[in-house]
Amino acid sequence: GAGVSQTPSNKVTEKGKYVELRCDPISGHTALYWYRQSLGQGPEFLIYFQGTGAADDSGLPNDRFFAVRPEGSVSTLKIQRTERGDSAVYLCASSLTGLAGAFFGQGTRLTVV
Amino acid sequence: ELKVEQNPLFLSMQEGKNYTIYCNYSTTSDRLYWYRQDPGKSLESLFVLLSNGAVKQEGRLMASLDTKARLSTLHITAAVHDLSATYFCAVVSNYGGSQGNLIFGKGTKLSVKP
Repeated sequence: GAGVSQTPSNKVTEKGKYVELRCDPISGHTALYWYRQSLGQGPEFLIYFQGTGAADDSGLPNDRFFAVRPEGSVSTLKIQRTERGDSAVYLCASSLTGLAGAFFGQGTRLTVV
Repeated sequence: ELKVEQNPLFLSMQEGKNYTIYCNYSTTSDRLYWYRQDPGKSLESLFVLLSNGAVKQEGRLMASLDTKARLSTLHITAAVHDLSATYFCAVVSNYGGSQGNLIFGKGTKLSVKP
C-alpha cells in the first residue's frame, strides 16, 4: 500500500490476555519503529528495527512486551498478560534508511479492561 | 539519556498573529523533525532539519535548527484556524552507534481562534 498500515485499528482486551498488533510498513523501508502514545502525551519510543534485527529495544517497558520482524517487512508487537496501564495508542512508523523522516501509521488503540 | 523539551505546551492564538514554539534537547544530535497531529489522527511529517543553521518553510510555518544551542524553533506567521493541532518535535537518538530512534517532546497544543 501507499502508507504504513496498522491492524487492528481498535482492540479491546481483558486484563491478563495476550494481544498482537500488526504493522505493514511502506514497501522498501528498512527502518521500522514502534511507539506508544498516551492521551495528551508525545509518542514514547518502544523499539526500532533495521531490517530484521532490533537495533534498539531500550524503550520496551518490561519483558511482557516483545516485537518481531522476521522477514524485514511486517512487524508484530506482542504484549503478554496485559495490564490496564498498557492502554494507549500504539503507533508504527517506517523510513527508508533510518536517516530520513519516518512516516507514521494510523495507530492501534488498545484498551485493556 | 536524550531529553526533548517543548514550550509552550499549550498555545492559544488569535488569527493573524505570529508566534514561536521552542524545542530544546539535551545531547548532541544533528537531525530534528517536526510533526503535526490532529485530534484522533496519526502524525504528519512537516520538516526534517539535517544541519546546523538549517531553515525550512512551508506556507505559514518556518522551522530552524541551531545544533550548537541544541534548539529548534517553529515559527507561525499570520496564524489561521486550520493550523490548530498539536505540534511535536523529535530528535534522533544515537544508540550503540546505530542511526536510531526518534525521541519526542510532549507536544505543543495550538489553538487558533478567530
